[in-house]
Formats: sequence, structure tokens, C-alpha cells
Amino acid sequence: AQSVTQLGSHVSVSEGALVLLRCNYSSSVPPYLFWYVQYPNQGLQLLLKYTSAATLVKGINGFEAEFKKSETSFHLTKPSAHMSDAAEYFCAVMRGNTGKLIFGQGTTLQVKP
Amino acid sequence: SAVISQKPSRDICQRGTSLTIQCQVDSQVTMMFWYRQQPGQSLTLIATANQGSEATYESGFVIDKFPISRPNLTFSTLTVSNMSPEDSSIYLCSVEGREAYNEQFFGPGTRLTVL
Repeated sequence: AQSVTQLGSHVSVSEGALVLLRCNYSSSVPPYLFWYVQYPNQGLQLLLKYTSAATLVKGINGFEAEFKKSETSFHLTKPSAHMSDAAEYFCAVMRGNTGKLIFGQGTTLQVKP
Repeated sequence: SAVISQKPSRDICQRGTSLTIQCQVDSQVTMMFWYRQQPGQSLTLIATANQGSEATYESGFVIDKFPISRPNLTFSTLTVSNMSPEDSSIYLCSVEGREAYNEQFFGPGTRLTVL
């Protein structure tokens, strides 16, 4: 069975600091992995996805994630945090090729001035 | 990306009543999905809605409680039946991307409060 674990339910960084949100997955097959962002009172927006092409994936708003098979990780990073990055971030794995997503518990990112 | 709208955006309902949530997509898609996000929680898949066939429900969700319709390739409804306060959640629909089936886009969600 596939699963996703996000380490840290809350992450707080200063504006301009590095953002690192951790995600580890479990999958017996090559996974499709995703990062979504949810701003307050809004739906989910796709940040980036990994689909077995390049292991370093670049997304929107300056975010990127690196797929590391040996570590079963797909951590999300951004070199310099902006106040507007404050939101809930979800890592997800697709169940096979079904289109069904399994989500991690989410990480709330707080950006301090 | 697909443009997805949901109605209503939010509602407050009395226990024992039912609410039907609509999901409209700006293009034809094969698969549509319904998710629930309970307060402070992550998203959980309720069911997959395919046009022309019965919806497929995930473990813990049943058709009597969450009946789904999929009359065409751009529209679906989810009904939350006989509601209780535990049904207070955000309900989101999602669809596969046009260019890649392994990509999903989400609607803005319906925020439901049951009193």
C-alpha cells in the first residue's frame, strides 16, 4: 500500500530564509508524487509533480522538490521565503495509475517578518 | 489546467437534512473525484465518479450517505445525506489534467457546517 508522511505539522521560518518541508513516501512501484498548497479558505493548487522524469522538479512560485529514491523522500524547498508563502502544504502520492491521491497530513508554513 | 467551479461555496445546514454539492468543469474529463477535508485535517478520498457507471467508493464511505451523480463528462454532484455535525467539512472535487492523466486539479471546495 502506498502512503505519505509529512514530517512536521508546523514549520516557521523568517522572511528570506530557506523553506524546507519534508515528505517521505512508501510505494512498491515507481510513484507519482505531488506537492499542493492551500491558502486560507481556498482550494488546492498544484505546486509541482514528479512523474519519473527529472529527479529535480521545479514548480511555481520558486518552489522545487527533489525525488530521492534511496531515501524515499520528496522534500519541498524554496531558497527565500516570502510572506505570501504562508499556507498549508500537502504532499501526495498517486495510487498506482488510478488518479486517486493519498495525502499526507499537511504542514502549515508560517513566515515571520 | 482545468477550471473547476463548485456550488455552493459554503452552507450551514441543520442535522438530518441533505445537501447536494455541484462540480462543473470547463472541459470534458473521464474521471472526477470527491474528497473530504475535515477541520484541521488532510484530504480523504470519498469516491471516484465516472460518467456512465456507478461511482466507486473508498473504504468507510457508502452510497447511501454520499450518493453521487455523473450525468456527463463536465458535471458531477455529491449529496451529503442525513447530515450530522460530524459531516462538517470542506468537500472538494478534482479532475484529471487535460494533458496528463497523472495530474489532478481541484475545485475551490464547499465549506459545510452542520448544526
